[in-house]
Amino acid sequence: QKEVEQNSGPLSVPEGAIASLNCTYSDRGSQSFFWYRQYSGKSPELIMFIYSNGDKEDGRFTAQLNKASQYVSLLIRDSQPSDSATYLCAAETGANNLFFGTGTRLTVIP
Amino acid sequence: EAGVTQSPTHLIKTRGQQATLRCSPISGHTSVYWYQQALGLGLQFLLWYDEGEERNRGNFPPRFSGRQFPNYSSELNVNALELEDSALYLCASSLERLMNTEAFFGQGTRLTVV
Repeated sequence: QKEVEQNSGPLSVPEGAIASLNCTYSDRGSQSFFWYRQYSGKSPELIMFIYSNGDKEDGRFTAQLNKASQYVSLLIRDSQPSDSATYLCAAETGANNLFFGTGTRLTVIP
Repeated sequence: EAGVTQSPTHLIKTRGQQATLRCSPISGHTSVYWYQQALGLGLQFLLWYDEGEERNRGNFPPRFSGRQFPNYSSELNVNALELEDSALYLCASSLERLMNTEAFFGQGTRLTVV
C-alpha cells in the first residue's frame, strides 16, 4: 500500500489560472506535510510545509491540510509558465522519514 | 549561505563495483537523509543520520550503507553495484526533526551502472 498518492497528471492549466494539486496519505500518524517542486533533471526544492489543519498561504501558493480526510492540497494562483514542473507531496511519518508521492506534472500554457 | 552540496555530480561504474557518494549539509544542520530517485519512480528513502548515528533506514539491501562524520557530512556507499542501482541519489539535511522543520535537498549525484 502506497503511503502517499498523487495523480501523476499531466495537469495543464492556462497562464493566470489556478492550479490545484492533490495528495492523499495513508498513515494517520503522519505529522507534517511538504510540497516540493522539481524541474526536470534538477533536485526537489521546498515550496512549503504544513502541519496544522487548515490553510497556509505563502505568496501565490496555498497549502491545505485536512487530517480527518487524510488529504493535502496545493493551490497555485496566477499560474506562470515557470511553474511548469513536477510537484512532489511528502508526509513525515513520525519516524522522521519523508514518504514521497510519485509527483504530479504541471504544465502552464502561455 | 551554502546549501546542501553533493559530489560527484555524475558517476559511472560497472556492475559489481563499489560507489561512494558524498554530501555536505547546510551549516548547522545535524540530520542528513539519503534518497534514491530511479527513472520514472518517486523518491525512495534510503538512510537517515543524525549526530553521527544511523537512525533509520529504508527498505534497501545491506549493500547500501553509509556513515556520518563528526562535521555532519555524510557518505553513501553502494557495494556490488547492479544495473538497477542507476538512479539520481539525493541528499537532504534538516536542522531538527522533520515534524518541526523542513529538509533541503542537494543537487544530487547521478549514478550510472553499466
